[in-house]
Amino acid sequence: NAGVMQNPRHLVRRRGQEARLRCSPMKGHSHVYWYRQLPEEGLKFMVYLQKENIIDESGMPKERFSAEFPKEGPSILRIQQVVRGDSAAYFCASSLSGTPNTEAFFGQGTRLTVV
Amino acid sequence: QQQVKQSPQSLIVQKGGISIINCAYENTAFDYFPWYQQFPGKGPALLIAIRPDVSEKKEGRFTISFNKSAKQFSLHIMDSQPGDSATYFCAASPGTGFQKLVFGTGTRLLVSP
Repeated sequence: NAGVMQNPRHLVRRRGQEARLRCSPMKGHSHVYWYRQLPEEGLKFMVYLQKENIIDESGMPKERFSAEFPKEGPSILRIQQVVRGDSAAYFCASSLSGTPNTEAFFGQGTRLTVV
Repeated sequence: QQQVKQSPQSLIVQKGGISIINCAYENTAFDYFPWYQQFPGKGPALLIAIRPDVSEKKEGRFTISFNKSAKQFSLHIMDSQPGDSATYFCAASPGTGFQKLVFGTGTRLLVSP
């Protein structure tokens, strides 16, 4: 039973390029969450999605960032025109349901470096 | 008010000793307090969690102590082992869903042999 799979594990992009981060949830999980971890900081919530729907995007920057979770395939976090400040570890988590205090399981993360 | 303050930033403990990590919060709406363990290159994993209706929860060598009036909670690792060396994050949420978790800044624990 594979856990949450994220790829790529490491991604290097030049300033101005696009970054696409993929997350395949655990089998049977239809709820996906994206978090960002800046160096020496805790994780910060970005967006919560269910299949084909964005439930809560209150943590997403207003520009350049978007997320989707299509009916088929992985969830995608897309960062357009990346800047140095986007360099961080991006973690995806998935859960079976969206009920309060439900346990969610994290993937290993994608470490984005913008040069 | 949404912050969770965690200390210390790093901690070195001898094998067999007790590791203690502290967290404090302001938002009285928080009612779920989990701790996560993260090894280098891995995602965080849920270690143990507590709700404010109890003052202490123990699972094996890991204990959470909770002080509701002081709005503080702490993680105690008894008989610390080198395999416990990791970064530990406290978190809190108002119980309205995983996405509302607010994380502390993390404590890097090193248990020396």
